[in-house]
Amino acid sequence: AQTVTQSQPEMSVQEAETVTLSCTYDTSESNYYLFWYKQPPSRQMILVIRQEAYKQQNATENRFSVNFQKAAKSFSLKISDSQLGDTAMYFCAFMKHEGAQKLVFGQGTRLTINP
Amino acid sequence: EADIYQTPRYLVIGTGKKITLECSQTMGHDKMYWYQQDPGMELHLIHYSYGVNSTEKGDLSSESTVSRIRTEHFPLTLESARPSHTSQYLCASKKPGGGTGELFFGEGSRLTVL
Repeated sequence: AQTVTQSQPEMSVQEAETVTLSCTYDTSESNYYLFWYKQPPSRQMILVIRQEAYKQQNATENRFSVNFQKAAKSFSLKISDSQLGDTAMYFCAFMKHEGAQKLVFGQGTRLTINP
Repeated sequence: EADIYQTPRYLVIGTGKKITLECSQTMGHDKMYWYQQDPGMELHLIHYSYGVNSTEKGDLSSESTVSRIRTEHFPLTLESARPSHTSQYLCASKKPGGGTGELFFGEGSRLTVL
């Protein structure tokens, strides 16, 4: 079974700073997806960024980028120039490429951006 | 923006009542999922469906049941609600095939059982 671990329950930074959220996972699969999802307070869960395991290049989406270390089974999220609207719960998640394609989530990191 | 809808958004009911949480999507997605989100915010899969007439139990045991009679509709039912069922329930869907692997989520149904 796959497991996802986020070791930072809460983080807080000042607006415009850069913050990195950590995630490690455990799997014996070779082909899979990794995701970061964002859940703002009382709002819908949305995808921030995704990475396919076979791709060596780290994914980037505007201010969001990942550091994917496949051998170490590490998948951290970096948010540059943080904004007040980035305040949310952030979940790291894993999905096998084949089969049931179920998302397995980490425990979440509550990120607060302070003005 | 994803078209997946959950109703009700908030529900407060007494112990022993039967409740149904509705989930509908208009994207033609074949796979649908129900996640339970506990007060600590952890998410656990309780049910999923590959398509019409296909339902499977998830990783977390749940007393709820689901049905998938139509592609767009995936309701979750609790026959006799208890305080231990108090939680937020998130519905999600995924397009056919591998694609991007992305799940699209509804806004959630927050259930409180007194």
